[in-house]
Amino acid sequence: DARVTQTPRHKVTEMGQEVTMRCQPILGHNTVFWYRQTMMQGLELLAYFRNRAPLDDSGMPKDRFSAEMPDATLATLKIQPSEPRDSAVYFCASGSGQGGYNEQFFGPGTRLTVL
Amino acid sequence: ILNVEQSPQSLHVQEGDSTNFTCSFPSSNFYALHWYRWETAKSPEALFVMTLNGDEKKKGRISATLNTKEGYSYLYIKGSQPEDSATYLCAFDAGGTSYGKLTFGQGTILTVHP
Repeated sequence: DARVTQTPRHKVTEMGQEVTMRCQPILGHNTVFWYRQTMMQGLELLAYFRNRAPLDDSGMPKDRFSAEMPDATLATLKIQPSEPRDSAVYFCASGSGQGGYNEQFFGPGTRLTVL
Repeated sequence: ILNVEQSPQSLHVQEGDSTNFTCSFPSSNFYALHWYRWETAKSPEALFVMTLNGDEKKKGRISATLNTKEGYSYLYIKGSQPEDSATYLCAFDAGGTSYGKLTFGQGTILTVHP
């Protein structure tokens, strides 16, 4: 049963620390999305990649957030330095992205708490 | 900025009731409309992907319709059960060079009381 995996599932850190979240998309999927769930914004898109190339990161605070796909099996989202307002659940999703109307498959999320 | 709106924000129904809620989206540059079901403490799961005006999809007791000309989609649940309690999200894909990029609505929170 193919699924998106995310690590860590929970992260508590102190303000100013670097946080790295990892995502393994479903094998064969070439589109990867990073979302943040907040009470105010609901599910907001931070960044997404197709064939490992970043297509849109306009939803991401550029000064502290960065997203990369070092290879087809790993996507990372880094926050440096972290701030309390970054506390949220971060979801990764992948899709087959071959054109068409492909649904996205979501990982379990990383719950981040910045103290 | 694409405006995707869902109503109502929340809904409480009794077991056995049928219910429906609405997603409205831009009627121009339509590519696809997705519905997701999101249970508490879990991840969103895809229900339907709708692409053609007049589309109707069905999965068990859940069905959805699509009107791209006027920019809305309805999700129906027939004979609601407590396990249907979840947040239902719709998401709009404007296609073009950003096909696959979804703009989500805020969701409708459904609670089905036994």
